[in-house]
Amino acid sequence: ILNVEQSPQSLHVQEGDSTNFTCSFPSSNFYALHWYRWETAKSPEALFVMTLNGDEKKKGRISATLNTKEGYSYLYIKGSQPEDSATYLCAFNNQGGKLIFGQGTELSVKP
Amino acid sequence: GAVVSQHPSRVICKSGTSVKIECRSLDFQATTMFWYRQFPKQSLMLMATSNEGSKATYEQGVEKDKFLINHASLTLSTLTVTSAHPEDSSFYICSARDILGIPSGDPPETQYFGPGTRLLVL
Repeated sequence: ILNVEQSPQSLHVQEGDSTNFTCSFPSSNFYALHWYRWETAKSPEALFVMTLNGDEKKKGRISATLNTKEGYSYLYIKGSQPEDSATYLCAFNNQGGKLIFGQGTELSVKP
Repeated sequence: GAVVSQHPSRVICKSGTSVKIECRSLDFQATTMFWYRQFPKQSLMLMATSNEGSKATYEQGVEKDKFLINHASLTLSTLTVTSAHPEDSSFYICSARDILGIPSGDPPETQYFGPGTRLLVL
């Protein structure tokens, strides 16, 4: 059974704080690792698709790193803003093409 | 670009009735569409994968006669929950992928999600 774990489950930070969370995934049969941001009542929004070991991607204040050998990815948010409040999902894409999701990290940023 | 709509957003039905959920890609051609289900406090679980014009591929444990999937065009897939029962109450969400890669520049593996449908069977 392929397992994708995200930690922490939830996180409460103050506006301006920087934060990070972790996604752990199987290190075998790796094809890609996806990160999504999911705000309540909206569609999950694709943030990054990462494929290469050592990859680092950035979109504004959000960045992510990837270690395929040890099976983890970190998502960083610099200077959190209230609009960053959402659930952040990671998904492991194996060579069969399916996405296996973690349970998500729920981020709440207080003004 | 890359917008996926899903209707209805929520539905309440009586046990034994069938419910159809539509998933549409609005500005790109979805060669592949995926249907997921999410139970409370759990992760999104893939139910089935459908390619336009061919039969859907169901994940282990998902009854194909219970969850009918049709992907008749490059912009529309439907999921029909037949003879719904209270245990089918869940959040259903679709995603779509254009294997050729849409013009936004995202990698072709990117899946674009609809907003989901909350189903409650009484």
